[in-house]
Amino acid sequence: DAKTTQPNSMESNEEEPVHLPCNHSTISGTDYIHWYRQLPSQGPEYVIHGLTSNVNNRMASLAIAEDRKSSTLILHRATLRDAAVYYCILRGHSGGGADGLTFGKGTHLIIQP
Amino acid sequence: EPEVTQTPSHQVTQMGQEVILRCVPISNHLYFYWYRQILGQKVEFLVSFYNNEISEKSEIFDDQFSVERPDGSNFTLKIRSTKLEDSAMYFCASSESVRGNYEQYFGPGTRLTVT
Repeated sequence: DAKTTQPNSMESNEEEPVHLPCNHSTISGTDYIHWYRQLPSQGPEYVIHGLTSNVNNRMASLAIAEDRKSSTLILHRATLRDAAVYYCILRGHSGGGADGLTFGKGTHLIIQP
Repeated sequence: EPEVTQTPSHQVTQMGQEVILRCVPISNHLYFYWYRQILGQKVEFLVSFYNNEISEKSEIFDDQFSVERPDGSNFTLKIRSTKLEDSAMYFCASSESVRGNYEQYFGPGTRLTVT
């Protein structure tokens, strides 16, 4: 899987929007951009994914740059429960032999009350 | 909402003992995974499993590890002779498909402590 780069940590205030960036300059044309998060003492949790167009779901929005070399996960109104490590992961479309996810260090999101 | 479950939540064992970690994937999923996370470190892929055989494994998944789907619901990870460095959180995950536009669903994990 192609490599992603994320800031180590970010801090935001409760009830404000949060924009979490991810760079993936070596992304291939068929790679999907996935975001997972890991709340303290829990397993990773799927957040959202996209290919080219921006995506919205009940948890977040994903904005994908036109050249697909970067993306931004947007939490529209952060709550204390959104404090977690957020991982940006690329997934090839074909899947091959059921390859596992490659987690980096992610971004540790701190929410201040 | 369907979820992946894992038992036990915490397992303490002595070095050299065998342990079996259990997972019940989401019922209509076909692909199953084990990951581990040593305290303070990244989540690491161990193995994937499909159609009753290993699809892919990482360098971590050596001969001490094995996986099995003994019945229609459980998916297990066995460590034959545990070492101190096997102490970690072990997460099971499942997915409908391996295609890039499908997500994996993770269980809450089993904390393995080897003494």
